[in-house]
Amino acid sequence: AQSVTQLGSHVSVSEGALVLLRCNYSSSVPPYLFWYVQYPNQGLQLLLKYTTGATLVKGINGFEAEFKKSETSFHLTKPSAHMSDAAEYFCAVRPMDSSYKLIFGSGTRLLVRP
Amino acid sequence: NAGVTQTPKFQVLKTGQSMTLQCAQDMNHEYMSWYRQDPGMGLRLIHYSVGAGITDQGEVPNGYNVSRSTTEDFPLRLLSAAPSQTSVYFCASRTTGHKNEKLFFGSGTQLSVL
Repeated sequence: AQSVTQLGSHVSVSEGALVLLRCNYSSSVPPYLFWYVQYPNQGLQLLLKYTTGATLVKGINGFEAEFKKSETSFHLTKPSAHMSDAAEYFCAVRPMDSSYKLIFGSGTRLLVRP
Repeated sequence: NAGVTQTPKFQVLKTGQSMTLQCAQDMNHEYMSWYRQDPGMGLRLIHYSVGAGITDQGEVPNGYNVSRSTTEDFPLRLLSAAPSQTSVYFCASRTTGHKNEKLFFGSGTQLSVL
């Protein structure tokens, strides 16, 4: 079965530092890939997605992610963290054999220190 | 636009009680779904629907029923609540267009079963 692994349930960075949140998926066929963000007491919002085409995907709020087929990874990065980036981030995959089932990772909580 | 609206925001039940979580969207989305969010487990799909009269099971359907009589509404029913159903529930919707994979989430219902 398809699965998504997010390394690190908590990541702490200083304001202005690089943000790197890791996501690996298990699939022999590259799925569609997503990053969602959840701010406290809110639902999830789409940050960015990869379906086909360019492997470097840019999203909202300065985030980007690179699809690496050889590493089965889709890590999320942002060059300079802002206090407002503190939230929980979820990687998700949509297997190619299922149009409607989105499988989420367990989430990574990003803490930004002043 | 209100987007995806969930009610209630909070609910406490006793074991064995029944209740319905309401979800409505005003974006004319064909696809609607219910997820539960538990600490360290991300979001898991309970049930989904691709249109009025069409529903299907997700990863964790046991103990939950759904129906879809209109495009706008997708209620989730707990027939006999159990403590294992204590969770935060999210409703989400999107169009079914090709590659239009952005899910819109409600703000969640926090359910406690005592």
